[in-house]
Amino acid sequence: EAEVAQSPRYKITEKSQAVAFWCDPISGHATLYWYRQILGQGPELLVQFQDESVVDDSQLPKDRFSAERLKGVDSTLKIQPAELGDSAMYLCASSLYSYTDTQYFGPGTRLTVL
Amino acid sequence: AQSVTQLDSQVPVFEEAPVELRCNYSSSVSVYLFWYVQYPNQGLQLLLKYLSGSTLVKGINGFEAEFNKSQTSFHLRKPSVHISDTAEYFCAVSSSNDYKLSFGAGTTVTVRA
Repeated sequence: EAEVAQSPRYKITEKSQAVAFWCDPISGHATLYWYRQILGQGPELLVQFQDESVVDDSQLPKDRFSAERLKGVDSTLKIQPAELGDSAMYLCASSLYSYTDTQYFGPGTRLTVL
Repeated sequence: AQSVTQLDSQVPVFEEAPVELRCNYSSSVSVYLFWYVQYPNQGLQLLLKYLSGSTLVKGINGFEAEFNKSQTSFHLRKPSVHISDTAEYFCAVSSSNDYKLSFGAGTTVTVRA
């Protein structure tokens, strides 16, 4: 069964450093999502791509976060500089096309900022 | 914008007993409702979803949920749980005018022998 791949699985960094997370969605899925999940809370959408275009980044802290999906396939989420409050699980998900299609989640990247 | 409230943060239950996880939502338009499960150190997996039609939805692993529009609820049930059902469960909602999935805070289910 096809899966969403994410790397790294764990990342420890010091505040003010730059970090990057990678996501490879299920082949053929046009829509890709990045979520942030703080411990004890549900996931919160950071950014949504339709192919290579951003369709929603209203919750992305754009002063320090950036995301790209250059060829409409895999995607990178970057934080620069990292802050203590960025410690969380970063989840990537993909779906075929519309918002009623099932979203398939990757295993996530757990970020710890010291 | 829609929102979701999961009424129980933790639910301890004995093996082979039934379990119900409560979820209420708020939205002024037609909604689409989802239940996801998250096992430790893993991503989320869809258990079931309601888009339209029958209000009783059956999902994987023996779970089912019932959409109640008048009570704005989408409670999840399983008649007999297993140790392997120990996980965190998230209710989520999207709507026809806000397609983003809004997740509840989650319910931790701990199944004991």
